[in-house]
Formats: sequence, structure tokens, C-alpha cells
Amino acid sequence: AQTVTQSQPEMSVQEAETVTLSCTYDTSESDYYLFWYKQPPSRQMILVIRQEAYKQQNATENRFSVNFQKAAKSFSLKISDSQLGDAAMYFCAYKLGNNDMRFGAGTRLTVKP
Amino acid sequence: DVKVTQSSRYLVKRTGEKVFLECVQDMDHENMFWYRQDPGLGLRLIYFSYDVKMKEKGDIPEGYSVSREKKERFSLILESASTNQTSMYLCATQGGSGKETQYFGPGTRLLVL
Repeated sequence: AQTVTQSQPEMSVQEAETVTLSCTYDTSESDYYLFWYKQPPSRQMILVIRQEAYKQQNATENRFSVNFQKAAKSFSLKISDSQLGDAAMYFCAYKLGNNDMRFGAGTRLTVKP
Repeated sequence: DVKVTQSSRYLVKRTGEKVFLECVQDMDHENMFWYRQDPGLGLRLIYFSYDVKMKEKGDIPEGYSVSREKKERFSLILESASTNQTSMYLCATQGGSGKETQYFGPGTRLLVL
């Protein structure tokens, strides 16, 4: 079964600084989708960014960008100009072209003012 | 915007009780999912449904059942609640294509005493 590993249970960043959250996954497939979700404290989980494996260009969404290394099976999330509202649990997820989505254990991000 | 609602944010039940968790979506999505979220384990799939009255077991279906009588509503049932079912339960929906993103409800935090 495909697995997703987030090796950093907790991370901390100073407001306005940049932080990178790590994610690796294990798969033998070549076509799949990768996601980063954000779950703020006591709030709904929302999609931050997604990447199709067939696309070489790294996805970006405003201050959020990914570093997708397909050969290394790595999918890290970079948050630039961190804001207090970025504090949350961040989950990396992997999905084949079906309904089977696999999640990592999560990284809790703290933003220090 | 996709709207996914869950019947309760917090629930306290006693061991042996039958528990119903409901999820409703307004986006006409074919697929609906129930996950449980536990610290250090990420999200694990309990059951999913790809159509009305259709269901598939996920990774941890033991002790749970589901019902989908209408497209917009997906219920998770704990036939006889046990303390090890204390957890956060998340519902998600997804459109028909396998590449679609999953959208999450706010979650139900269940405590079984």
C-alpha cells in the first residue's frame, strides 16, 4: 500500500519568515496526485495546494509553493512570508486516479509573532 | 463553494450506545468518505461510497457501518460504541473524476465514556 511520511511532527517559524514542510511518499505508480491540506485549530480542513505527478512544473498558490521531486518521491511545501493565520496542522496526501487517498501523520506549524 | 456539514461538532456517548454521525453535502458529488483522525496517525479511511446505496470498506471498517440512502447524505454508524472509538471523525466529498480534490466537513469530536 502507498504510504505518506511527514518526518516533522512539529515545526516553528517566525512571522514573515519562510518555512518548508517535508513529505515523502512511496509508490510504484507513475500517474498520481499530491495534496497539501491545512487544518487550523478547531476549524475545517481546507486544500492548500495540489500537484499532478505528470506535470513537471511545481504548483504555486500565492505564498504557498511546492518542491516536487518525482524521482525522489518528495513533495515539500514552502510557506513564504509566514502569517499568524498559517498556524495549523498540515497534512500531505497522495491519491491515485481513484478514490484512495493516503494521508501523512501531519505537521503542526506554530507561527511566532 | 463546496459545503460539507456534519451533524455535530462534539458528541459524548456511553459505551454500548448506538451512535449516528451524519454528513450532508450540497455539491452533487458522487463520492463521500468517512475518516477518523488520531494524533500521530493522520487520517484513516473507514468507509466510502461512490453512489447511492453503494459502499466500500476502507482501512479500518471494524465496528462501523454506513448508510447512503440519498446522494447528498452519508451516515456513519457505530453499532455499539467503545472507548477506543473516541476520536475525531471527518467526512469528505469528491466529484466523479478520480483526479478530483476531496472536500472536508468540520469534523465531529466523539468521546465515548
